Amino acid sequence: EPEVTQTPSHQVTQMGQEVILRCVPISNHLYFYWYRQILGQKVEFLVSFYNNEISEKSEIFDDQFSVERPDGSNFTLKIRSTKLEDSAMYFCASSVDSVRAYEQYFGPGTRLTVT
Amino acid sequence: GDSVTQMEGPVTLSEEAFLTINCTYTATGYPSLFWYVQYPGEGLQLLLKATKADDKGSNKGFEATYRKETTSFHLEKGSVQVSDSAVYFCALSDRGAAGNKLTFGGGTRVLVKP
Repeated sequence: EPEVTQTPSHQVTQMGQEVILRCVPISNHLYFYWYRQILGQKVEFLVSFYNNEISEKSEIFDDQFSVERPDGSNFTLKIRSTKLEDSAMYFCASSVDSVRAYEQYFGPGTRLTVT
Repeated sequence: GDSVTQMEGPVTLSEEAFLTINCTYTATGYPSLFWYVQYPGEGLQLLLKATKADDKGSNKGFEATYRKETTSFHLEKGSVQVSDSAVYFCALSDRGAAGNKLTFGGGTRVLVKP
């Protein structure tokens, strides 16, 4: 069964450093998403992406964050200058089309630790 | 804005017990409702969904009915197994929104003991 994959599974970085989290969505999916879950808190929406554009972003997704689909398979989340409060589990998700856009398939997550 | 409230855990049960996890929502539009499950060390998996009032979603013995009048989507399973130990998230998606984002509840940890 096709699945969303994410790399790395765990990333440790120092405050102020740039990080890139990588995702490979399911191959025929068209809609892509990033969510994050700070330890012990809710899963929070960050951004949705379709047709090489951001469809929607949350208040969390400020100028420090960016997303990109650099080729036909990868979908990346970049944090330019990490802060301690960026420490969280980051989940990538994808969905197949506009009719079933709500049916999102999640990757296993990348745990980001900012020290 | 949209929000989802679910009962706090942990919920500890014995095998074959009945499980209910309450979920209520607030939405400006006409949302679709979901339950996601997160097993230890894994990502979120879609467990079941309902897209309109009175729809019943079901999967793996779990059921939830979309109740518009009470804005609820409670998850139930008649006889849990140890393998059902996980964190369960109720979520909604406002189909009128451009980005199709999911809004999650806080999650309920369920521990099933043999």
